[in-house]
Amino acid sequence: AQKITQTQPGMFVQEKEAVTLDCTYDTSDPSYGLFWYKQPSSGEMIFLIYQGSYDQQNATEGRYSLNFQKARKSANLVISASQLGDSAMYFCAMRGVTGYSTLTFGKGTMLLVSP
Amino acid sequence: GAVVSQHPSWVICKSGTSVKIECRSLDFQATTMFWYRQFPKQSLMLMATSNEGSKATYEQGVEKDKFLINHASLTLSTLTVTSAHPEDSSFYICSAREPLNSGAYTDTQYFGPGTRLTVL
Repeated sequence: AQKITQTQPGMFVQEKEAVTLDCTYDTSDPSYGLFWYKQPSSGEMIFLIYQGSYDQQNATEGRYSLNFQKARKSANLVISASQLGDSAMYFCAMRGVTGYSTLTFGKGTMLLVSP
Repeated sequence: GAVVSQHPSWVICKSGTSVKIECRSLDFQATTMFWYRQFPKQSLMLMATSNEGSKATYEQGVEKDKFLINHASLTLSTLTVTSAHPEDSSFYICSAREPLNSGAYTDTQYFGPGTRLTVL
């Protein structure tokens, strides 16, 4: 069974500052993928970034980077230079071995960016 | 990224009626789509996996006779909530998995904008 833990129900950050959203995971699969999604108040789930368990380098996508520490089973999302539009719910998710495996989501972290 | 549409975006219906929600992958063929349900301030709960041309795989506790899923083509999956009741009111969101053989490496699920169902 897979499990995702997001321990921060809410985070505050000032505009232009960086923020780290925590995510730890547990799985017995030898190969897995980790995802971060953003859900603004409109409800749409927006894919942000992906990290494969065998990727040698941490994933980056623009202002988003994933701090992947395999030994600690953590996959924290770092948002640099926060913007007001970053205010949203953020979900960490993982899938197990390839094929028809499904995503397991964490409970989410609400990020509020203040001016 | 890939685009997934969902229709309608919101619907209000009377108790006892059926409601159909459509999920379409607009720029890729999706052999697998997923249906989720989300209650306010909670995470997504997977309801079922929809495979093109075959029966859907439902998660434990999800009534297959109440939530009918049809994946008739590589770009369309539908969820029908039959005999809806107020407790079925929720946010329903679908996703489509971009297949690996298209060149996509991540096997990422792309989500539709969701459908807010209110049953009176």
